[in-house]
Amino acid sequence: KQEVTQIPAALSVPEGENLVLNCSFTDSAIYNLQWFRQDPGKGLTSLLLIQSSQREQTSGRLNASLDKSSGRSTLYIAASQPGDSATYLCAVVPEGFQKLVFGTGTRLLVSP
Amino acid sequence: GAVVSQHPSRVICKSGTSVKIECRSLDFQATTMFWYRQFPKQSLMLMATSNEGSKATYEQGVEKDKFLINHASLTLSTLTVTSAHPEDSSFYICSAIKGFRQGPNTGELFFGEGSRLTVL
Repeated sequence: KQEVTQIPAALSVPEGENLVLNCSFTDSAIYNLQWFRQDPGKGLTSLLLIQSSQREQTSGRLNASLDKSSGRSTLYIAASQPGDSATYLCAVVPEGFQKLVFGTGTRLLVSP
Repeated sequence: GAVVSQHPSRVICKSGTSVKIECRSLDFQATTMFWYRQFPKQSLMLMATSNEGSKATYEQGVEKDKFLINHASLTLSTLTVTSAHPEDSSFYICSAIKGFRQGPNTGELFFGEGSRLTVL
């Protein structure tokens, strides 16, 4: 059974810092991995999608990497801003299944 | 990106009544949609997978007679909470896959804004 874990559970940083969020999964047989952002009381916003054949994806200040063999993905946020404060979730689609398995999430707070 | 619209965003109802939540993919066709439930400060819990034109597949422990799911078209799935009770109060979120047809899923998932249900 696929399990997805995110570290740290919570993170508080001053504005401007570069930071890394970690996601690990127990079964390397995945179709893709997706990073989401969730603001309080809101739905999820897709940030980056990495197919199993890819190693990384970039969008603006965000860069996500994928190492399937070690079961790890990282989300790098450059020059963090208060508007980045949210909960970040990673999720994987296991091979042979259609449904995502979500990580436990990282609550990020960027202070001005 | 693609847009998934969920309605209503908030609903308050009395115990024993039924509530319907709609999930629409506005600018793409979604043969598969998912319904999640989220408790405060917890991650999403998959309730069921909704496939257009067929019966939904429910996760273990989810009562299919209580949470009725209908996916009548390629752009609309509905979740009806029947005979709602206070313990059904939660945040319900739907998602849809863009570009998914059959076989391996390589599509990207897009989420609705969620619906906050409060049962008095």
